[in-house]
Amino acid sequence: DTEVTQTPKHLVMGMTNKKSLKCEQHMGHRAMYWYKQKAKKPPELMFVYSYEKLSINESVPSRFSPECPNSSLLNLHLHALQPEDSALYLCASSRTGNTEAFFGQGTRLTVV
Amino acid sequence: AQTVTQSQPEMSVQEAETVTLSCTYDTSESNYYLFWYKQPPSRQMILVIRQEAYKQQNATENRFSVNFQKAAKSFSLKISDSQLGDTAMYFCAFITSGTYKYIFGTGTRLKVLA
Repeated sequence: DTEVTQTPKHLVMGMTNKKSLKCEQHMGHRAMYWYKQKAKKPPELMFVYSYEKLSINESVPSRFSPECPNSSLLNLHLHALQPEDSALYLCASSRTGNTEAFFGQGTRLTVV
Repeated sequence: AQTVTQSQPEMSVQEAETVTLSCTYDTSESNYYLFWYKQPPSRQMILVIRQEAYKQQNATENRFSVNFQKAAKSFSLKISDSQLGDTAMYFCAFITSGTYKYIFGTGTRLKVLA
């Protein structure tokens, strides 16, 4: 099983809403990632969890709040987002910090 | 600073033909890994091929192969017998061992023509 599962696939939210993105993997990977991707651009790293601890935060605004409840799950809590936060949000996992990352299908987020 | 450069924003190739996508990178590290990812319109980033910097032999995966020139810091992807399903955005990526930071190039949009 080389699958990273993200839910929901599409999300429309207002600027005052609170929502969460979910990511799950069962490959035993100990590193999990959140990326943001704008159209026709490469993914931009947001957060990295290594062994369930936040190891990298790329100066992401506090309206994005990551959570890693266990080694298989990764959440991204969203609150008071802005229209410019509309993007594809990709979750990924890797066995270590120097192996290939496996990506989910992403959540297409639209902030209205 | 570590960078990855893909100088071809868009390319097209006839079905069954061969195409090469270029990628150069810059690093002072000696222990790193290189990847090519494919992102079709379905959005999911799919690993195409990986190369360990310490290996001199070029990686091959079915119709996909790389030309890894370590001294020149070049990592090109060759797609043989192109298929319509190869139409996608291709990203070259690089990671230094243990950093958890994958550095992506700007991508090459490849269109395979029938």
